[in-house]
Amino acid sequence: DAKTTQPPSMDCAEGRAANLPCNHSTISGNEYVYWYRQIHSQGPQYIIHGLKNNETNEMASLIITEDRKSSTLILPHATLRDTAVYYCIVRVSLLSFSGGYNKLIFGAGTRLAVHP
Amino acid sequence: GAVVSQHPSRVICKSGTSVKIECRSLDFQATTMFWYRQFPKQSLMLMATSNEGSKATYEQGVEKDKFLINHASLTLSTLTVTSAHPEDSSFYICSARGVTSGMSYNEQFFGPGTRLTVL
Repeated sequence: DAKTTQPPSMDCAEGRAANLPCNHSTISGNEYVYWYRQIHSQGPQYIIHGLKNNETNEMASLIITEDRKSSTLILPHATLRDTAVYYCIVRVSLLSFSGGYNKLIFGAGTRLAVHP
Repeated sequence: GAVVSQHPSRVICKSGTSVKIECRSLDFQATTMFWYRQFPKQSLMLMATSNEGSKATYEQGVEKDKFLINHASLTLSTLTVTSAHPEDSSFYICSARGVTSGMSYNEQFFGPGTRLTVL
């Protein structure tokens, strides 16, 4: 799976949009971009994923560049509860029960601090 | 939907004893479960992958005789840390993927984690 690069930490004011970048310049055509977050001492929480089109759900938006070498996770109105470590992961996504290709390998992530 | 639970949430044991951690998928059938370990201020490290009814596949550097994984049913996987030592103290997290109506095959859902402290 392709490697990802994220800034180690970011700050955001409450109520403002938080834009978290991720570089994945070696991504291949069948690899998806996944975002998870981990609030302190809890298990990771799925946020969103995409292949090449921009995606939006109730939690966030995912913007993927046309060349797919980078992406940005957008939390439109950050709250204090969004303070967490955010992980950008690239992996192959296969519609099968085989576990081998579906491992999530976590990098260091971005520690987002939302302040009042 | 897609809830994964772990038990216990916290355990303290003496060095040399064995500890079992359970991971359950509450509202879906987990065809594949994953076990991770996380040390303080570090990222999650994948330990092993298990498919229901077959032997677990361990990541490089993870001792399979020390970390016994059983995935005997579609809703339960267990991780047993045998002969635990203080260096095994860590946050152990399981995740599961599987099928239920409306759920993608390719999302993984994580349990809340189990904090193990070995004295």
